[in-house]
Amino acid sequence: DTAVSQTPKYLVTQMGNDKSIKCEQNLGHDTMYWYKQDSKKFLKIMFSYNNKELIINETVPNRFSPKSPDKAHLNLHINSLELGDSAVYFCASSLRQGANYGYTFGSGTRLTVV
Amino acid sequence: GQQVMQIPQYQHVQEGEDFTTYCNSSTTLSNIQWYKQRPGGHPVFLIQLVKSGEVKKQKRLTFQFGEAKKNSSLHITATQTTDVGTYFCLDNTDKLIFGTGTRLQVFP
Repeated sequence: DTAVSQTPKYLVTQMGNDKSIKCEQNLGHDTMYWYKQDSKKFLKIMFSYNNKELIINETVPNRFSPKSPDKAHLNLHINSLELGDSAVYFCASSLRQGANYGYTFGSGTRLTVV
Repeated sequence: GQQVMQIPQYQHVQEGEDFTTYCNSSTTLSNIQWYKQRPGGHPVFLIQLVKSGEVKKQKRLTFQFGEAKKNSSLHITATQTTDVGTYFCLDNTDKLIFGTGTRLQVFP
């Protein structure tokens, strides 16, 4: 069973479109995250949710909107896609919010905006 | 702003040689974690260091946290081709800042 699963794995879309990426974890973790990894492999946190409540909201364009219907799901909706949004987006989860837990990552969604 | 730099950016070694990546923060860290990302894969948690001067070992991997808790290192003894990937440190405080990563290539 996949612990943190993301769909789709690949997403190719045109500029200006709106798209969503879904994430689900079956680990019973309280906290979920979205990370962006650019072409240079830099990993940057975008959002963090603890039990459906937004905890971290880094400097991300407001075209990006996370939604957590329950603590096992954290989806990412992106409006008006731009070329610079092309990247790999990773969902992750941890047991609790706080500094003592490792993060379990999903396999990533490679988004290509053309 | 707060940064976490890793050196080197790339390292190519012959199988059997040792490898070390260094992680340096501009601020004091409460704890640090290390991750490995295989090519085309996702980051996988390796270890967490919490105490000043802490040293932990996992088989051929040795992790160290600096005395001032502003730097850390990962050392691999006698690299194997399965060690190929990018190694990241993570400043696991409020902002969850990943280091810039060190890409390791191992030649057989």
